[in-house]
Amino acid sequence: QKEVEQNSGPLSVPEGAIASLNCTYSDRGSQSFFWYRQYSGKSPELIMSIYSNGDKEDGRFTAQLNKASQYVSLLIRDSQPSDSATYLCAVRYSSASKIIFGSGTRLSIRP
Amino acid sequence: DAGVIQSPRHEVTEMGQEVTLRCKPISGHDYLFWYRQTMMRGLELLIYFNNNVPIDDSGMPEDRFSAKMPNASFSTLKIQPSEPRDSAVYFCASSSPGGQNTGELFFGEGSRLTVL
Repeated sequence: QKEVEQNSGPLSVPEGAIASLNCTYSDRGSQSFFWYRQYSGKSPELIMSIYSNGDKEDGRFTAQLNKASQYVSLLIRDSQPSDSATYLCAVRYSSASKIIFGSGTRLSIRP
Repeated sequence: DAGVIQSPRHEVTEMGQEVTLRCKPISGHDYLFWYRQTMMRGLELLIYFNNNVPIDDSGMPEDRFSAKMPNASFSTLKIQPSEPRDSAVYFCASSSPGGQNTGELFFGEGSRLTVL
Protein backbone atom coordinates (compact mmCIF):
# COMPACT_ATOMS: atom_id res chain seq x y z
CA GLN A 1 0.00 0.00 0.00
CA LYS A 2 1.30 3.43 -0.91
CA GLU A 3 1.70 5.88 1.94
CA VAL A 4 -0.42 8.56 0.26
CA GLU A 5 -2.83 7.54 -2.50
CA GLN A 6 -4.65 9.64 -5.06
CA ASN A 7 -6.56 8.87 -8.22
CA SER A 8 -4.24 9.95 -11.05
CA GLY A 9 -7.10 11.11 -13.27
CA PRO A 10 -7.42 12.92 -15.52
CA LEU A 11 -10.53 14.39 -13.92
CA SER A 12 -12.52 16.50 -16.36
CA VAL A 13 -14.99 19.01 -14.95
CA PRO A 14 -17.06 21.65 -16.80
CA GLU A 15 -16.36 25.28 -16.05
CA GLY A 16 -18.42 26.56 -13.15
CA ALA A 17 -18.93 23.11 -11.61
CA ILE A 18 -17.47 21.67 -8.41
CA ALA A 19 -14.28 19.63 -8.70
CA SER A 20 -13.76 17.01 -5.99
CA LEU A 21 -10.30 15.57 -5.35
CA ASN A 22 -9.63 12.75 -2.90
CA CYS A 23 -6.66 11.37 -0.98
CA THR A 24 -6.12 8.56 1.51
CA TYR A 25 -3.10 8.03 3.75
CA SER A 26 -1.69 5.11 5.71
CA ASP A 27 -0.05 6.72 8.79
CA ARG A 28 -2.88 6.91 11.31
CA GLY A 29 -0.99 9.30 13.58
CA SER A 30 -0.42 11.98 10.93
CA GLN A 31 -1.46 15.47 12.02
CA SER A 32 -0.74 17.80 9.10
CA PHE A 33 -2.25 17.60 5.64
CA PHE A 34 -1.69 19.75 2.59
CA TRP A 35 -2.93 20.30 -0.92
CA TYR A 36 -0.49 21.62 -3.48
CA ARG A 37 -1.22 22.73 -7.03
CA GLN A 38 1.35 22.19 -9.76
CA TYR A 39 1.10 23.66 -13.22
CA SER A 40 2.96 21.91 -16.02
CA GLY A 41 6.66 22.74 -15.87
CA LYS A 42 6.35 24.60 -12.57
CA SER A 43 7.01 23.79 -8.94
CA PRO A 44 4.26 22.82 -6.48
CA GLU A 45 2.60 25.66 -4.59
CA LEU A 46 0.57 25.33 -1.41
CA ILE A 47 -3.14 26.08 -1.72
CA MET A 48 -4.57 24.59 1.48
CA SER A 49 -3.44 23.10 4.77
CA ILE A 50 -5.65 21.36 7.33
CA TYR A 51 -4.86 19.99 10.76
CA SER A 52 -8.22 19.22 12.42
CA ASN A 53 -11.17 17.04 11.50
CA GLY A 54 -13.85 18.80 9.54
CA ASP A 55 -13.89 21.43 6.84
CA LYS A 56 -11.65 24.41 6.17
CA GLU A 57 -12.69 26.97 3.58
CA ASP A 58 -10.55 29.51 1.75
CA GLY A 59 -12.26 31.31 -1.08
CA ARG A 60 -13.38 28.77 -3.70
CA PHE A 61 -11.40 26.00 -2.00
CA THR A 62 -12.58 23.71 0.82
CA ALA A 63 -10.39 21.06 2.40
CA GLN A 64 -12.05 18.25 4.33
CA LEU A 65 -10.32 15.95 6.79
CA ASN A 66 -11.57 12.71 8.36
CA LYS A 67 -8.84 11.19 10.49
CA ALA A 68 -10.90 8.15 11.47
CA SER A 69 -11.19 7.21 7.80
CA GLN A 70 -7.68 8.52 6.98
CA TYR A 71 -9.17 10.59 4.21
CA VAL A 72 -8.54 14.11 2.93
CA SER A 73 -10.39 15.85 0.15
CA LEU A 74 -10.31 19.13 -1.72
CA LEU A 75 -13.36 20.77 -3.26
CA ILE A 76 -13.01 23.54 -5.81
CA ARG A 77 -16.21 25.52 -6.37
CA ASP A 78 -16.99 27.51 -9.50
CA SER A 79 -14.14 25.79 -11.36
CA GLN A 80 -12.20 27.98 -13.76
CA PRO A 81 -9.95 27.01 -16.69
CA SER A 82 -7.03 28.39 -14.64
CA ASP A 83 -7.68 25.60 -12.11
CA SER A 84 -6.49 23.05 -14.68
CA ALA A 85 -3.36 21.59 -13.07
CA THR A 86 -2.11 18.60 -11.11
CA TYR A 87 -3.18 18.58 -7.45
CA LEU A 88 -0.87 16.91 -4.99
CA CYS A 89 -1.94 15.67 -1.59
CA ALA A 90 0.81 15.72 1.07
CA VAL A 91 0.93 14.29 4.57
CA ARG A 92 3.34 15.04 7.37
CA TYR A 93 4.24 11.90 9.30
CA SER A 94 3.44 11.80 13.01
CA SER A 95 6.74 10.26 14.04
CA ALA A 96 8.95 12.64 12.11
CA SER A 97 8.84 15.77 10.07
CA LYS A 98 9.04 14.11 6.72
CA ILE A 99 6.35 15.06 4.24
CA ILE A 100 5.16 12.48 1.74
CA PHE A 101 3.28 13.30 -1.45
CA GLY A 102 0.70 11.37 -3.39
CA SER A 103 1.21 10.87 -7.10
CA GLY A 104 -1.20 13.70 -7.91
CA THR A 105 -4.53 14.05 -9.71
CA ARG A 106 -4.63 15.82 -13.07
CA LEU A 107 -7.61 18.15 -13.22
CA SER A 108 -8.90 19.57 -16.48
CA ILE A 109 -11.59 22.27 -16.52
CA ARG A 110 -13.39 22.31 -19.86
CA PRO A 111 -14.97 25.60 -21.02
CA ASP B 1 12.55 37.10 0.71
CA ALA B 2 13.88 35.63 -2.53
CA GLY B 3 12.39 32.20 -1.87
CA VAL B 4 14.20 28.90 -2.30
CA ILE B 5 16.91 29.19 -4.93
CA GLN B 6 18.11 26.21 -6.94
CA SER B 7 20.85 25.87 -9.51
CA PRO B 8 21.32 24.90 -12.23
CA ARG B 9 17.82 25.12 -13.69
CA HIS B 10 18.74 22.72 -16.46
CA GLU B 11 21.58 20.23 -16.70
CA VAL B 12 22.35 17.91 -19.58
CA THR B 13 25.18 15.48 -19.02
CA GLU B 14 26.48 12.17 -20.23
CA MET B 15 26.24 8.90 -18.41
CA GLY B 16 29.05 8.46 -15.92
CA GLN B 17 29.56 12.14 -15.24
CA GLU B 18 29.24 13.72 -11.82
CA VAL B 19 26.27 16.02 -11.25
CA THR B 20 25.95 18.55 -8.42
CA LEU B 21 22.68 20.31 -7.70
CA ARG B 22 22.58 23.27 -5.34
CA CYS B 23 19.97 24.80 -3.07
CA LYS B 24 19.68 27.90 -0.91
CA PRO B 25 16.71 27.67 1.48
CA ILE B 26 14.64 30.53 2.77
CA SER B 27 16.44 32.34 5.56
CA GLY B 28 15.23 31.19 8.98
CA HIS B 29 13.84 27.89 7.76
CA ASP B 30 15.37 25.01 9.65
CA TYR B 31 14.10 22.12 7.51
CA LEU B 32 15.37 21.37 4.01
CA PHE B 33 14.00 18.65 1.75
CA TRP B 34 15.21 17.17 -1.54
CA TYR B 35 12.58 15.60 -3.80
CA ARG B 36 12.78 13.97 -7.22
CA GLN B 37 9.85 14.07 -9.65
CA THR B 38 9.26 11.80 -12.62
CA MET B 39 6.13 10.91 -14.56
CA MET B 40 6.33 7.30 -13.45
CA ARG B 41 7.09 7.76 -9.74
CA GLY B 42 5.69 11.18 -8.94
CA LEU B 43 7.30 13.35 -6.26
CA GLU B 44 9.63 11.20 -4.15
CA LEU B 45 11.33 12.33 -0.96
CA LEU B 46 15.05 11.65 -1.18
CA ILE B 47 16.42 13.15 2.04
CA TYR B 48 15.66 15.87 4.53
CA PHE B 49 17.71 17.91 7.00
CA ASN B 50 16.88 19.64 10.26
CA ASN B 51 19.30 22.32 11.46
CA ASN B 52 21.81 21.11 8.83
CA VAL B 53 21.72 17.51 10.12
CA PRO B 54 20.43 14.72 7.82
CA ILE B 55 17.41 13.17 9.52
CA ASP B 56 16.15 10.61 7.02
CA ASP B 57 17.95 9.53 3.86
CA SER B 58 15.95 6.35 3.31
CA GLY B 59 14.68 7.71 0.01
CA MET B 60 18.11 8.08 -1.53
CA PRO B 61 18.07 5.50 -4.33
CA GLU B 62 21.59 4.15 -3.93
CA ASP B 63 25.15 4.99 -3.01
CA ARG B 64 25.59 7.03 -6.15
CA PHE B 65 23.52 9.75 -4.47
CA SER B 66 24.80 11.89 -1.64
CA ALA B 67 23.60 15.11 -0.01
CA LYS B 68 25.22 17.61 2.30
CA MET B 69 24.21 20.73 4.16
CA PRO B 70 27.39 22.43 5.40
CA ASN B 71 25.50 25.45 6.76
CA ALA B 72 22.00 26.83 7.17
CA SER B 73 22.01 28.57 3.81
CA PHE B 74 23.35 25.93 1.43
CA SER B 75 22.79 22.31 0.45
CA THR B 76 24.02 20.09 -2.36
CA LEU B 77 22.76 16.89 -3.94
CA LYS B 78 25.42 14.97 -5.81
CA ILE B 79 25.08 12.06 -8.21
CA GLN B 80 28.25 10.19 -9.09
CA PRO B 81 28.30 8.48 -11.53
CA SER B 82 25.09 9.60 -13.20
CA GLU B 83 22.87 7.20 -15.18
CA PRO B 84 20.05 7.82 -17.70
CA ARG B 85 17.46 6.64 -15.14
CA ASP B 86 18.47 9.58 -12.93
CA SER B 87 16.84 11.93 -15.44
CA ALA B 88 14.16 13.83 -13.53
CA VAL B 89 13.30 17.19 -12.01
CA TYR B 90 14.94 17.62 -8.63
CA PHE B 91 13.21 19.98 -6.21
CA CYS B 92 14.54 21.51 -3.06
CA ALA B 93 12.04 22.77 -0.48
CA SER B 94 12.37 24.40 2.91
CA SER B 95 10.04 24.82 5.85
CA SER B 96 9.82 26.01 9.41
CA PRO B 97 7.88 23.60 11.59
CA GLY B 98 6.46 25.96 14.16
CA GLY B 99 3.32 28.02 14.23
CA GLN B 100 0.04 27.65 12.41
CA ASN B 101 1.59 26.65 9.11
CA THR B 102 3.25 23.58 10.53
CA GLY B 103 5.17 21.77 7.86
CA GLU B 104 4.24 24.05 4.96
CA LEU B 105 6.83 23.57 2.22
CA PHE B 106 8.23 26.28 -0.02
CA PHE B 107 9.66 24.87 -3.23
CA GLY B 108 12.42 26.07 -5.47
CA GLU B 109 11.89 26.15 -9.22
CA GLY B 110 13.60 22.79 -9.64
CA SER B 111 16.62 21.48 -11.51
CA ARG B 112 15.78 19.51 -14.64
CA LEU B 113 18.44 16.84 -15.13
CA THR B 114 18.88 14.92 -18.36
CA VAL B 115 21.47 12.14 -18.46
CA LEU B 116 22.25 10.91 -21.97
